[in-house]
Amino acid sequence: AQKVTQAQTEISVVEKEDVTLDCVYETRDTTYYLFWYKQPPSGELVFLIRRNSFDEQNEISGRYSWNFQKSTSSFNFTITASQVVDSAVYFCALSGTKAAGNKLTFGGGTRVLVKP
Amino acid sequence: NAGVTQTPKFRVLKTGQSMTLLCAQDMNHEYMYWYRQDPGMGLRLIHYSVGEGTTAKGEVPDGYNVSRLKKQNFLLGLESAAPSQTSVYFCASSYSTVYTDYSGNTIYFGEGSWLTVV
Repeated sequence: AQKVTQAQTEISVVEKEDVTLDCVYETRDTTYYLFWYKQPPSGELVFLIRRNSFDEQNEISGRYSWNFQKSTSSFNFTITASQVVDSAVYFCALSGTKAAGNKLTFGGGTRVLVKP
Repeated sequence: NAGVTQTPKFRVLKTGQSMTLLCAQDMNHEYMYWYRQDPGMGLRLIHYSVGEGTTAKGEVPDGYNVSRLKKQNFLLGLESAAPSQTSVYFCASSYSTVYTDYSGNTIYFGEGSWLTVV
C-alpha cells in the first residue's frame, strides 16, 4: 500500500522567511510519480509540480524549489522569501500505476501561514 | 476553459436524504475520481473510473455510489446521507497514456462541493 506523510501540520513564518515543507512517502513500486498541490483559502487545488522516480534532480521554479531524495523517500518543498499570498495548505501526493487507475494518495497537508 | 466543473457547490442535507453530485470535464479525459477532504486527513479517494461505463472503489467507498454513463460525466450519489459524510468533495480527472504503465499524468481538480449533513 502507498502512504504519504507530511509530519508538519502547520507552519507559521514572517514574510520573507524561507519555509520548507517535508514529505515522506512509502511505495513498493519501482516507478512512481510525486506531486505537490497548493490549496489557497478559496479552496481549489492548484497543481505545482510533478516528478517521476527516475529524476532526482532538484528543481527550482521562481521562489519554489523541490528536493527529491529517493534514498530517504523524501520530496521536500521550499518556498524562498515567503509572501502573504503563499498562505495555503500544501499537499504532497504519490501516484499509483496506470493499471490501478493512476490514483493519487495524499498526505495530510501542511498549512502555511505567512504573516506580514 | 471550463476544465472540471462540479455541481452543486454547497448543499445542506438532512440525515437520511439522498443527493447526487455531478462532475463534468471537457478535456476528454479517460480517468475520473471522487475524493473527500476532511480536516487533517488530506484527500481520500472514494471511487474512481478508468473509462466510460467503468467504476471502481477507492479508499473510503462505503455509503456512496457512482456512475459513469458518459465519458465527460462522473456522478457521486449518497443514498442515505449521514453526518459522517459532512465533508468537502472534490472531483478530478486525468488522461491516460497508452504506451506506458505508469502514466503519472497530472490530475486536474474541480473547485469542490461543500456538503453538510445535519
